[in-house]
Amino acid sequence: KQEVTQIPAALSVPEGENLVLNCSFTDSAIYNLQWFRQDPGKGLTSLLLIQSSQREQTSGRLNASLDKSSGRSTLYIAASQPGDSATYLCAAFQGAQKLVFGQGTRLTINP
Amino acid sequence: DAGVIQSPRHEVTEMGQEVTLRCKPISGHDYLFWYRQTMMRGLELLIYFNNNVPIDDSGMPEDRFSAKMPNASFSTLKIQPSEPRDSAVYFCASRGDNYGYTFGSGTRLTVV
Repeated sequence: KQEVTQIPAALSVPEGENLVLNCSFTDSAIYNLQWFRQDPGKGLTSLLLIQSSQREQTSGRLNASLDKSSGRSTLYIAASQPGDSATYLCAAFQGAQKLVFGQGTRLTINP
Repeated sequence: DAGVIQSPRHEVTEMGQEVTLRCKPISGHDYLFWYRQTMMRGLELLIYFNNNVPIDDSGMPEDRFSAKMPNASFSTLKIQPSEPRDSAVYFCASRGDNYGYTFGSGTRLTVV
C-alpha cells in the first residue's frame, strides 16, 4: 500500500528565497506523481504531473523532480513571492488510477 | 472548459437527514473520483468510476455512503442518514488521458 509523507508540515520564509518542499513515498513501483496547491477554503490546483518515465517537470518558477529508486520527490520554488503562500500537496499514484496524498506542507512567504 | 463542477458549495444539515452531493466531470474524462478531506485524515479516496462503472469503493466508510454515475456527465455521492462525523470537504475529480487529475472546488458539509 502506497504511503506518502511530506516534510516539513509548515515552512515560513522571506520573500525572494528559493525553497524546496520534500515528499517521500513507500512504493517505488510508482506510476506517476502529481503536485497540487491548495489555498485556504479552496479546491486543489494541479501544479505539475511527473510521469513514471520522467525525472522532472518544470513550469515557470516551479520544478518538480522524481527519484523512484529512493522514493522521493521534491518541489523547487524559485524566487518565492507572497502569492505562493498556500498548502502544497504531493500525491503518488497507487497503481495506475488511485492518487494517495501526503498531509501537505503549509508554506508562508513573508513580504 | 469549465472544469469539474460540484454542487452545492456548502451544505449544512441536521443529523439523520439525507445529503446528496453532485459532480459534473470534464467532458471526455473517463475516470471520476470522490475524495473526502478532514484535518485529521487529510485527503482520502472514497470511490472511483471508469466509464460510469464503479471500480473501487473500498474507501467508502460505511453503508450509509453510496455513489452513482448514471451517465458520463454526472455523479452523485449520497449519505443517508448523515452523522456529525461526516462533516468534511468532499471533492470530486476527473482524469483524462494524460493521467493528471483535475479537482472540483469541493462541497463543505456540516452535519449538526
